[in-house]
Amino acid sequence: NAGVTQTPKFQVLKTGQSMTLQCAQDMNHNSMYWYRQDPGMGLRLIYYSASEGTTDKGEVPNGYNVSRLNKREFSLRLESAAPSQTSVYFCASRSDRVTGELFFGEGSRLTVL
Amino acid sequence: SQQGEEDPQALSIQEGENATMNCSYKTSINNLQWYRQNSGRGLVHLILIRSNEREKHSGRLRVTLDTSKKSSSLLITASRAADTASYFCATDGNYGQNFVFGPGTRLSVLP
Repeated sequence: NAGVTQTPKFQVLKTGQSMTLQCAQDMNHNSMYWYRQDPGMGLRLIYYSASEGTTDKGEVPNGYNVSRLNKREFSLRLESAAPSQTSVYFCASRSDRVTGELFFGEGSRLTVL
Repeated sequence: SQQGEEDPQALSIQEGENATMNCSYKTSINNLQWYRQNSGRGLVHLILIRSNEREKHSGRLRVTLDTSKKSSSLLITASRAADTASYFCATDGNYGQNFVFGPGTRLSVLP
């Protein structure tokens, strides 16, 4: 029972390079999310997808793109990485129950030099 | 802007003591959730309290909600070293059914 799986766990990029963070969930949830976590800032929502085929901007979408490939997978792409994007990125999916708790992956730690 | 704000930012207690963390928020909510994050790991859901509830219990956890003051508290009783983690409250945010997280409280339980 994997839950939410993120890859890679660690990545170092140079400024201007691109990369994609992958996320997959096996709980058949409709909603999926990408957050970034910075010291003292809590988690900030980058993008979310309420269902397969839809994506919407969150609080801090600039510099990112997302793809909801299918119901299981939701990827986050940095087209031209900047040092300000150094962070820990978390993917989450949301239970379809009324309570709607979030299930998180283990995080992807990204450093942009 | 952050909907939830936890207080204190850091808390250090001895094993066996109770730990209380507070969360304040700014706008009306449907429900409020508490999450726990061990160092280097993802967040794990602990407990949810609906806006029409005032108190909820789950094992050693007790959550209260005061919608008139827009605040919630999480009490961990008889703390253990394994409770050392960061604790976050999450409230309905400005993005549909999504949740907005506060900066968290870092709890250290000393053996």
